[in-house]
Amino acid sequence: GQNIDQPTEMTATEGAIVQINCTYQTSGFNGLFWYQQHAGEAPTFLSYNVLDGLEEKGRFSSFLSRSKGYSYLLLKELQMKDSASYLCAALDSNYQLIWGAGTKLIIKP
Amino acid sequence: GAVVSQHPSRVICKSGTSVKIECRSLDFQATTMFWYRQFPKQSLMLMATSNEGSKATYEQGVEKDKFLINHASLTLSTLTVTSAHPEDSSFYICSVAGGDRNEQFFGPGTRLTVL
Repeated sequence: GQNIDQPTEMTATEGAIVQINCTYQTSGFNGLFWYQQHAGEAPTFLSYNVLDGLEEKGRFSSFLSRSKGYSYLLLKELQMKDSASYLCAALDSNYQLIWGAGTKLIIKP
Repeated sequence: GAVVSQHPSRVICKSGTSVKIECRSLDFQATTMFWYRQFPKQSLMLMATSNEGSKATYEQGVEKDKFLINHASLTLSTLTVTSAHPEDSSFYICSVAGGDRNEQFFGPGTRLTVL
């Protein structure tokens, strides 16, 4: 079957760095997305990886290892507004998104 | 990216009534739109894929006669929850997919509460 695993909840301190991991098993693979979702709002796009390696975009970076079925989202210089759920989603061979349950990130002052 | 709107943003209705939710792609002609449902503290669950000019494709376990989808134009898809019950209370989100990486652009969501 198809499956996405990510931690349910993480806590970090303002100004620090946090890494949110995601492992996936899909029928075929056409890329991995990270979305941010604040409570009561729709998800917003953060990153997309289809090749191995690290993609950096400002304070956020995303890494992919296709051989390991593994990705992580790295958030630097954490701000209180980064408190949200972070959703990992893999695109399968049919270009259908398989969603993880999301990681709720709590930022403490 | 594509700009997607949804209407209404919130709706409260009595059990047994029907509710229509509109999803509009404001700057992108979408042959395909997606309807998701999200219960509190859970992930997005794909309900159906809405295809312009043809019938929607429903995911397993989603009743097509209860969740009516109409994709009448390249910019509008509607989801009608018929004879809504309290267990249908949820956050309904639509999206359109575009670009060479098939990125999904989400509408702001509709919070449905059935009393």
